[in-house]
Amino acid sequence: EVQLVQSGAEVKKPGESLKISCKGSGYSFTSYWIGWVRQMPGKGLEWMGIIYPGDSDTRYSPSFQGQVTISADKSISTAYLQWSSLKASDTAMYYCARPVAASPYDAFDIWGQGTMVTVSS
Amino acid sequence: AIWMTQSPSLLSASTGDRVTISCRMSQGISSYLAWYQQKPGKAPELLIYAASTLQSGVPSRFSGSGSGTDFTLTISCLQSEDFATYYCQQYYSFPGTFGQGTKVEIK
Repeated sequence: EVQLVQSGAEVKKPGESLKISCKGSGYSFTSYWIGWVRQMPGKGLEWMGIIYPGDSDTRYSPSFQGQVTISADKSISTAYLQWSSLKASDTAMYYCARPVAASPYDAFDIWGQGTMVTVSS
Repeated sequence: AIWMTQSPSLLSASTGDRVTISCRMSQGISSYLAWYQQKPGKAPELLIYAASTLQSGVPSRFSGSGSGTDFTLTISCLQSEDFATYYCQQYYSFPGTFGQGTKVEIK
């Protein structure tokens, strides 16, 4: 079964760093891009960025460039989303997702279960 | 950047109704459009991609149409499990932006 399994919920303070993960299984992890999508409480979906684990080619939405870092470790089939200094406005559910085909420009057919990040003093 | 207008934002309907949701683009995107369903507390699920291709396992009461700038998601006979929020997404140009969402609620 193709699946993406994300790390658990996090509660952090403003200014702290954080790295959440997304582990792929059931398919060739290095052959598909992995994207990240943000959903703030009660709001819609926002496309953040995408990485190709095969060579770590990474593309960011202009809205998120410089705000987060996307990376991957192909040896353990895991993609990451990290922050160096969290803000309260980073409070959201974060999803990783895999495109239908081997392209960064595609619909997402496989989604992780989501990681809730809460940033509060 | 491509701007998307998804409408309506809220749709009240009854089981058995035929419902349509619209997504309009600020510029043509060919058929590079997807539709997702999201239920509370769950990840989105892909319903349709390439504007009209039904994702495997999705009931045939869901259909998509359109190309260029105007797209429609139709649910032919609304079932109880279809009450959810629906999003369109364009993937013609970077970044792959989502519509604002349409919540389908029980009338």
